[in-house]
Amino acid sequence: DAGITQSPRHKVTETGTPVTLRCHQTENHRYMYWYRQDPGHGLRLIHYSYGVKDTDKGEVSDGYSVSRSKTEDFLLTLESATSSQTSVYFCAISVAGEGAFFGQGTRLTVV
Amino acid sequence: AQSVTQLGSHVSVSEGALVLLRCNYSSSVPPYLFWYVQYPNQGLQLLLKYTSAATLVKGINGFEAEFKKSETSFHLTKPSAHMSDAAEYFCAVSDSGAGSYQLTFGKGTKLSVIP
Repeated sequence: DAGITQSPRHKVTETGTPVTLRCHQTENHRYMYWYRQDPGHGLRLIHYSYGVKDTDKGEVSDGYSVSRSKTEDFLLTLESATSSQTSVYFCAISVAGEGAFFGQGTRLTVV
Repeated sequence: AQSVTQLGSHVSVSEGALVLLRCNYSSSVPPYLFWYVQYPNQGLQLLLKYTSAATLVKGINGFEAEFKKSETSFHLTKPSAHMSDAAEYFCAVSDSGAGSYQLTFGKGTKLSVIP
């Protein structure tokens, strides 16, 4: 257990509404990531953070923003949710010498 | 740019048979390579990793993988499949960066184990 908690675990929202997903870690790791998982695509990187207020875009960042005001929290925001953002979202942290470890995921449905 | 190709989106094996899941990668720098397993409705669990030490890597649940630079491969094997191995498996590659494992994933291989 890498001490990663994602909330909410499930969410249904309407097209055009803003949505924020939260990732919380308890072990003070520097690097945090948001991925989305879609059938036939594996996992794709949305955004990542390398420290408080330090973030950068990943492969599929359009329509998403992130914030990291504290080491332990990494927020993913969908400014105006679309049906194409229906997915399972995973947060991950890096542990030097060990690899990346994932949360349990958030299943988001945009209707 | 890095990429990962997993050959076969679905593999079926009989219980007790050899499991072989294929992964080929491309990377412009010496890579870190990982295999993850995902059980239904769960997160990803790290099975094993290659980080430039031994080329034959042993992981959890009896799985192992061999890094072959000449073939740019990192295939996952298990000598004898168990029903509990049924899951989806993902191969991933990362640049060897200082503590940052920004992963590029393959599309996954779903393993079915037939009794």
